[in-house]
Amino acid sequence: GDSVTQMEGPVTLSEEAFLTINCTYTATGYPSLFWYVQYPGEGLQLLLKATKADDKGSNKGFEATYRKETTSFHLEKGSVQVSDSAVYFCALLNSGNTPLVFGKGTRLSVIA
Amino acid sequence: DVKVTQSSRYLVKRTGEKVFLECVQDMDHENMFWYRQDPGLGLRLIYFSYDVKMKEKGDIPEGYSVSREKKERFSLILESASTNQTSMYLCATAGGTGTDTQYFGPGTRLTVL
Repeated sequence: GDSVTQMEGPVTLSEEAFLTINCTYTATGYPSLFWYVQYPGEGLQLLLKATKADDKGSNKGFEATYRKETTSFHLEKGSVQVSDSAVYFCALLNSGNTPLVFGKGTRLSVIA
Repeated sequence: DVKVTQSSRYLVKRTGEKVFLECVQDMDHENMFWYRQDPGLGLRLIYFSYDVKMKEKGDIPEGYSVSREKKERFSLILESASTNQTSMYLCATAGGTGTDTQYFGPGTRLTVL
């Protein structure tokens, strides 16, 4: 079945450091890919998404490019802030009204 | 903006009690989902629903049931709560197309003593 694998955390970075969180997927067909973020004490919210190969999703300085050849959707940010501390989930949606398939999440802590 | 509300942020129940978790959305979305979130396990899908009175089992339906009598409301029921059901429960909704985003509620942290 479909699956998402993302790097295990926790990841601890200093403010203004470069961030990469790796995400790879296994799926039949042409899934849509998502990054969700969960801030402390809150539910998940969509950070960015891409619906086809070579699309780049971006939001709040975060970017991810849908790479079909490597089945990857790595999350990047050039300069993280303390306020980016959260848990990040990679997810895919394969077709129609099927549920999202989530990775296990990566906790990011940014220290000043 | 989509609004997804859950009936409680924190809930404490005793083993054997029947527990109802309510989720309400205001966007006329067809699809609704219940997940539980546990450290190291990520999000696991319990049940989902494509439409009123319809339900589908997710990955971990054992010990749970659901009810969807109205489009905007999706209830998760723990028939007889057990300590291993202590968890964060998240409700989500989505519209009807294949690329639609899921929108999440704030979660209910349930503790079963």
